[in-house]
Amino acid sequence: KAGVTQTPRYLIKTRGQQVTLSCSPISGHRSVSWYQQTPGQGLQFLFEYFSETQRNKGNFPGRFSGRQFSNSRSEMNVSTLELGDSALYLCASSLESSGGPVQFFGPGTRLTVL
Amino acid sequence: AQRVTQPEKLLSVFKGAPVELKCNYSYSGSPELFWYVQYSRQRLQLLLRHISRESIKGFTADLNKGETSFHLKKPFAQEEDSAMYYCALKGSSNTGKLIFGQGTTLQVKP
Repeated sequence: KAGVTQTPRYLIKTRGQQVTLSCSPISGHRSVSWYQQTPGQGLQFLFEYFSETQRNKGNFPGRFSGRQFSNSRSEMNVSTLELGDSALYLCASSLESSGGPVQFFGPGTRLTVL
Repeated sequence: AQRVTQPEKLLSVFKGAPVELKCNYSYSGSPELFWYVQYSRQRLQLLLRHISRESIKGFTADLNKGETSFHLKKPFAQEEDSAMYYCALKGSSNTGKLIFGQGTTLQVKP
């Protein structure tokens, strides 16, 4: 099976702009989670979608939003970009298993805000 | 509050030496604990989870609820073990949300 894919891999934006990142989960996976990775804060959970519904949300401002489509693909959007939004954004998909979901991560989208 | 602490940012050992990467957690219920690894220029991947109680690439980790720890151990480090290691906690079984520690870079010298 193909792994989790994320597009684009790199993005450069300026402050105030908005950006949309895309994630395609592993075929058959219905849960998609998003994480922000920065050198200072490490890996922080943004939100999780399951069957097109947001199941969990992290402590990020409302400028960060997401959605999931019927084919389980997910997008996240960041509006009014700030310099501090520069980060690697990771997407993970998971398959429900008897021990709970196991996350499979994509390669990430590197966002640079100038 | 749910928290995962990895006290060492960098752990440097020689090849063949034992390795112990420390992880402590704070959680009021019964968490699931994981170790994820990120090799250079590769994506983050699951190394092992406490619920499966297995050894992967010679690594083991035991959940100690009394000490709220989930340390990762390997008796003889190999150069290919050099990577970034993250300990992660999942609180509820009905969610994919993971709380990560800050990560420990393991450097295995020849």
